[in-house]
Amino acid sequence: DTGVSQNPRHKITKRGQNVTFRCDPISEHNRLYWYRQTLGQGPEFLTYFQNEAQLEKSRLLSDRFSAERPKGSFSTLEIQRTEQGDSAMYLCASSPSGTTHNEQFFGPGTRLTVL
Amino acid sequence: GNSVTQMEGPVTLSEEAFLTINCTYTATGYPSLFWYVQYPGEGLQLLLKATKADDKGSNKGFEATYRKETTSFHLEKGSVQVSDSAVYFCALKTSNNQGGKLIFGQGTELSVKP
Repeated sequence: DTGVSQNPRHKITKRGQNVTFRCDPISEHNRLYWYRQTLGQGPEFLTYFQNEAQLEKSRLLSDRFSAERPKGSFSTLEIQRTEQGDSAMYLCASSPSGTTHNEQFFGPGTRLTVL
Repeated sequence: GNSVTQMEGPVTLSEEAFLTINCTYTATGYPSLFWYVQYPGEGLQLLLKATKADDKGSNKGFEATYRKETTSFHLEKGSVQVSDSAVYFCALKTSNNQGGKLIFGQGTELSVKP
């Protein structure tokens, strides 16, 4: 399967713990996006990378959130000191660079539950 | 700011019925418009897109026309099937957004009964 993969698919944690999610994009795609989706809502943009450079961050991305893409391939999203409000589905997407019309390909998501 | 508004669901239809899911948007410049679909247990998939006014996107029997005058991109299908049951998301990308982030509506759940 050459699509976008995300691990883990599910994560249950206690409030105050740190969690890290991984996203592996489609190999030739140099753009990578993170979104957050809560129940009954559409995905909301968190951040975006062009190769290893993080070029845009949403105001939703508080200082407890950090994302990296160290070699321009896979990316990690870490949430420190998790809160119950962080419970959501975290989606990763990738696309080739070029025009803004390029399709974003989404992974299956990581569902986070904070107890 | 930029935003997308979709009709609220859930929408329940019988097989072979006509489907319309309304989508309107607010955006600066000339956005590109998209419909994504999320089948149960699967990730978001692009269904169709339109990149300029009066363009019609189409795929799998679904169509949507980019109407600049009404700032709308309504999704239609002439005859739905049970397999079309899913959540449908309307989304836009603004033309001045080189990063290409998507702005989504809240989603509309469609349930098709046999």
